[in-house]
Amino acid sequence: DTAVSQTPKYLVTQMGNDKSIKCEQNLGHDTMYWYKQDSKKFLKIMFSYNNKELIINETVPNRFSPKSPDKAHLNLHINSLELGDSAVYFCASSQETAYEQYFGPGTRLTVT
Amino acid sequence: AQTVTQSQPEMSVQEAETVTLSCTYDTSESDYYLFWYKQPPSRQMILVIRQEAYKQQNATENRFSVNFQKAAKSFSLKISDSQLGDAAMYFCAPGTSYGKLTFGQGTILTVHP
Repeated sequence: DTAVSQTPKYLVTQMGNDKSIKCEQNLGHDTMYWYKQDSKKFLKIMFSYNNKELIINETVPNRFSPKSPDKAHLNLHINSLELGDSAVYFCASSQETAYEQYFGPGTRLTVT
Repeated sequence: AQTVTQSQPEMSVQEAETVTLSCTYDTSESDYYLFWYKQPPSRQMILVIRQEAYKQQNATENRFSVNFQKAAKSFSLKISDSQLGDAAMYFCAPGTSYGKLTFGQGTILTVHP
């Protein structure tokens, strides 16, 4: 059973398009996160939700919008995609905010 | 705010030997945690070890242990009896009580047979 899953694993799209990445966790965790890993492997937090409430919102363009329909899901919607959005996006979850985070397999987004 | 420095972009070790990966950090938080994650070529982020900053005792997890020096803000990872499967990029990450992890630049570990 996959603990944290993301779909799709790969996403190739053109500039200007809108796309979504879905994340689901079956660990019963209260907190979920989105991270971005760039081409140099630098990993940076984007958002965090605890019990469907946004608690971390880093300096991210407004084109990125997280949505948490329930505690087990945290989706990432990206509008008007740009070349610089190309990266690997990771979803993660933790039992509480101070606990270890478990990561999904990542979604490699390529914008052409 | 938190900052992290991993001063070793690359390290190598012979199988069965011991290697230590360095990490220094700075934080304005009084309550924080420290993690090491590994990322093999599969790109999956895997938790290696966790340390609560308020604990003096160094965390251990099988062949993995840390040397946590709070005053020096140092958090190194020691891998004993290195195995081929340990080859990966290793990230040091201090975390706040509200879950914000700040990742270092990473250290690529190569294990030679």
